Amino acid sequence: EPEVTQTPSHQVTQMGQEVILRCVPISNHLYFYWYRQILGQKVEFLVSFYNNEISEKSEIFDDQFSVERPDGSNFTLKIRSTKLEDSAMYFCASKTGTATAEAFFGQGTRLTVV
Amino acid sequence: QKEVEQNSGPLSVPEGAIASLNCTYSDRGSQSFFWYRQYSGKSPELIMSIYSNGDKEDGRFTAQLNKASQYVSLLIRDSQPSDSATYLCAVRGNYGQNFVFGPGTRLSVLP
Repeated sequence: EPEVTQTPSHQVTQMGQEVILRCVPISNHLYFYWYRQILGQKVEFLVSFYNNEISEKSEIFDDQFSVERPDGSNFTLKIRSTKLEDSAMYFCASKTGTATAEAFFGQGTRLTVV
Repeated sequence: QKEVEQNSGPLSVPEGAIASLNCTYSDRGSQSFFWYRQYSGKSPELIMSIYSNGDKEDGRFTAQLNKASQYVSLLIRDSQPSDSATYLCAVRGNYGQNFVFGPGTRLSVLP
């Protein structure tokens, strides 16, 4: 069964460093998302991506964040200068172009900023 | 600001009982509603989606939607210990493709 895959599963980085989280969405999907979940808190929307551009973003997704789909298969989230409060589980998700379709989530990347 | 609220947990039910999980949403224009299950440390896993008023059944799960009351619920019949997890309600509006999640309700099914 097709699935969303994310790498790495766990990333530890020093405060101020740049990190890139990688995702391979399901191949026929058209909408791509990044969500984050701070430990013990709710799943929060960061950004959605469609037709090679950002379609929506939240207040969390500030200038420190960027997304890219560099090669038609990978979908990446870059955090330019990590802060302690960026420590969270980051989930990538994708869905088809059907308006009512559900989103399928990857297994997540746990980012720890020290 | 689109808000999704869920009844606070944790909710504990004995094995074999019916678990009832509730969700309300603020955006009256919401069109698509989803229930996800999340085990500790894992990603959300889709259980059911519902788009029309009324009930939708899938095995032991029944989703109920009342758009007039802006209310979605999930019933789990014959609850099993393996159902113990956090249940997330997610809502998507008529415009845009963003999913807004509720805070989740933690369910414990006691053997």
